[in-house]
Amino acid sequence: DTEVTQTPKHLVMGMTNKKSLKCEQHMGHRAMYWYKQKAKKPPELMFVYSYEKLSINESVPSRFSPECPNSSLLNLHLHALQPEDSALYLCASSQLQESWETQYFGPGTRLLVL
Amino acid sequence: AQTVTQSQPEMSVQEAETVTLSCTYDTSESDYYLFWYKQPPSRQMILVIRQEAYKQQNATENRFSVNFQKAAKSFSLKISDSQLGDAAMYFCAYRRETSGSRLTFGEGTQLTVNP
Repeated sequence: DTEVTQTPKHLVMGMTNKKSLKCEQHMGHRAMYWYKQKAKKPPELMFVYSYEKLSINESVPSRFSPECPNSSLLNLHLHALQPEDSALYLCASSQLQESWETQYFGPGTRLLVL
Repeated sequence: AQTVTQSQPEMSVQEAETVTLSCTYDTSESDYYLFWYKQPPSRQMILVIRQEAYKQQNATENRFSVNFQKAAKSFSLKISDSQLGDAAMYFCAYRRETSGSRLTFGEGTQLTVNP
């Protein structure tokens, strides 16, 4: 089973709202990732968690706040977003210390900021 | 820093024919991993095939195979017997050997399959 789930599938929010994206995997993977993807562009890495600790932050604005409550769950808290933050947000996971460490992606959350 | 280049923004192929998507990369490292992902209109990123840099043998997964040329830093994807369901955006990606490292993606190639 290589399933990563993400909720919600779609999200519309105003610039003053607070919302959260959720990502879950039950493959025992110990690395989890958030990517942002604009239309017709490749995914851009935002954050990486390794063993539930933030290991990479790609200088993402503080209006995006990641959280990894346990090894299966990854959240992305959103606050005071801008219209240019509208994008597809992809979550991925991989098994650390495995030769491939292949990243498996969830279906994404389509975010629209009005 | 590593870079990945896909020089073909768009490609098209007739159903049942063969198509090759190009990918080149730049790195100073000797050990790394290369991947091809496809992203259909649903936008779910799906792993197609992967290759370890230290393996000379080209990876194959059913109708998908790669031509890995390490010295030339080239990693092309060949799709045989193309099917309508192969229509998607294809991304080439590089990952360093270091555990927990990022994927570096190319800009993608949009593949159209004509019936």
